[in-house]
Amino acid sequence: GAVVSQHPSRVICKSGTSVKIECRSLDFQATTMFWYRQFPKQSLMLMATSNEGSKATYEQGVEKDKFLINHASLTLSTLTVTSAHPEDSSFYICSASWYLETQYFGPGTRLLVL
Amino acid sequence: AQTVTQSQPEMSVQEAETVTLSCTYDTSESDYYLFWYKQPPSRQMILVIRQEAYKQQNATENRFSVNFQKAAKSFSLKISDSQLGDAAMYFCAYRSARSGGSNYKLTFGKGTLLTVNP
Repeated sequence: GAVVSQHPSRVICKSGTSVKIECRSLDFQATTMFWYRQFPKQSLMLMATSNEGSKATYEQGVEKDKFLINHASLTLSTLTVTSAHPEDSSFYICSASWYLETQYFGPGTRLLVL
Repeated sequence: AQTVTQSQPEMSVQEAETVTLSCTYDTSESDYYLFWYKQPPSRQMILVIRQEAYKQQNATENRFSVNFQKAAKSFSLKISDSQLGDAAMYFCAYRSARSGGSNYKLTFGKGTLLTVNP
């Protein structure tokens, strides 16, 4: 299957700072990338869908000014958590797909806000 | 809106035995895709199997096969000859076959935690 990477795999930051997470499709071009959040022992919660070169579409209840998503190229999308607070601590997962093809997932980023 | 239901929060199986994980979904669409993803303790989501709704033949991938019943909106996963490495959370997912924007997103069930006993 296709390979999607995420960086960093783990990050600890102080409350009030911003954190950027990168998602890269390594061996295919991703027309669409997705960002999920997952709490322990729960399913994935879709935060937003981003198409290359256009603004992300956020799911209801997700603050777009807090979770900034950029999809500047067909292989890279970034999620920036702005002014992070402890309640933003979670496991963030990205996925990527080429149009209607299968979504492939990155390994996830564990964010801890102190 | 589509919904996906996994009614078994936890399942267990003996090594080398067969286990079936259940999934039902609700949709008004006639064309769509169904998936089973596996999430082991590493938390990396791994595609197990994919089924196109327009195909009558059930998908198979080595020891993994599905029983797709379109009329009943049922999509169960059968794991044969279970191995210790199969222990994971399994998620059933639905995606529309329509093109464009939010139609590409996956709708996940809540997952079934599979334990494999040696």
